[in-house]
Amino acid sequence: DIQLTQSPSFLSASVGDRVTITCRASQGISSYLAWYQQKPGKAPKLLIYAASTLQSGVPSRFSGSGSGTEFTLTISSLQPEDFATYYCQQLNSYSFTFGPGTKVDIK
Amino acid sequence: QITLKESGPTLVKPTQTLTLTCTFSGFSLSTSGVGVGWIRQPPGKALEWLALIYWNDDKRYSPSLKSRLTITKDTSKNQVVLTMTNMDPVDTATYYCARTIFGVVIKAIDYWGQGTLVTVSS
Repeated sequence: DIQLTQSPSFLSASVGDRVTITCRASQGISSYLAWYQQKPGKAPKLLIYAASTLQSGVPSRFSGSGSGTEFTLTISSLQPEDFATYYCQQLNSYSFTFGPGTKVDIK
Repeated sequence: QITLKESGPTLVKPTQTLTLTCTFSGFSLSTSGVGVGWIRQPPGKALEWLALIYWNDDKRYSPSLKSRLTITKDTSKNQVVLTMTNMDPVDTATYYCARTIFGVVIKAIDYWGQGTLVTVSS
């Protein structure tokens, strides 16, 4: 069973800041990693798949990188609508686990 | 337009079996590379992946919950059903159904239902 960890679990940032979230897998998952954004009371929304491919309609300030066991989600210039919780998910193994999430809050 | 919607009881008693139905439209679960699965989220906590059924009827389960879960599909009705046995208060959560795409490039959940809150209490 592949485990995912995310760091930090919480971060406080200001509008315009560059934000980076890391997701680590307990074993190699190639590039089968997706990132989701979730706002309170809403279903998650797909941001990035295959570790670095931006989903259609997602702003270009979001980017992803990594392969194997270490991945990052970067928001180049944080906007007010980006304050949310972000989850990574691996789709490489028998079961498709999520990371524990990173909450991005307003400083 | 692709939509998914969860239905089922909002309240179940401990030890009971939960049955949730996902009714979807805008795609077919007989199309190669498509799966429909279930994810849950306890109040204030993280997402937890539960189960998925593929277009070819292959099934995947969370190892920690496998003994309690069954996922089935009715392609003609565009429905996927999840049953979870021996419910406990810790199973209180919002349950989401979602479409997962297994393409050459994309492997991800691209569409989600709105979620349904299930409370386990006597």
